[in-house]
Amino acid sequence: DTEVTQTPKHLVMGMTNKKSLKCEQHMGHRAMYWYKQKAKKPPELMFVYSYEKLSINESVPSRFSPECPNSSLLNLHLHALQPEDSALYLCASSQRQGVDIQYFGAGTRLSVL
Amino acid sequence: QQQVKQSPQSLIVQKGGIPIINCAYENTAFDYFPWYQQFPGKGPALLIAIRPDVSEKKEGRFTISFNKSAKQFSLHIMDSQPGDSATYFCAATESYGAQKLVFGQGTRLTINP
Repeated sequence: DTEVTQTPKHLVMGMTNKKSLKCEQHMGHRAMYWYKQKAKKPPELMFVYSYEKLSINESVPSRFSPECPNSSLLNLHLHALQPEDSALYLCASSQRQGVDIQYFGAGTRLSVL
Repeated sequence: QQQVKQSPQSLIVQKGGIPIINCAYENTAFDYFPWYQQFPGKGPALLIAIRPDVSEKKEGRFTISFNKSAKQFSLHIMDSQPGDSATYFCAATESYGAQKLVFGQGTRLTINP
């Protein structure tokens, strides 16, 4: 099973809302990633967790707050977002950080009004 | 130096033709080169990957050609089918150092029946 599950599939939120995106994998992977993808663009890395510790933060604004409660779960907490944050948010996982294959979820389509 | 340049941006091929997508990189520390396929509304999925110690890798109808001296690699799709219509991203990463996937800008491929 190479599945990465993301919920919800779609999310609409106002600029004052607080919401969370969830990601789950049961492949025993120890690296998990958040990417942001705008239309017709490649995924842009936001955060990397390796062995449940934040390994990379690509200078993402503090209105995005990642959390890795355990080795199977990854959350992205959203607060006071801007309309330009509307995008597809992708979660991925790999055996380890680095050259191992990254498996992507289907993403959460986020719209900020 | 972290960029991966991909061309063309879009490509239209008749069924049975051989679309070719090209990528070039500068960072000689890159040592793993995956290709991802993304359908609308889905996350990217690994298609095929190559390391710089081989010049060609074939999996089914998909072939990667790799030219280490030119720092270029390309994807060929043999006997292309309408179901291959998708966006294709080349990527590169390094075993040490940043350990981040660097994506090309993507190629939107359309296979006409």
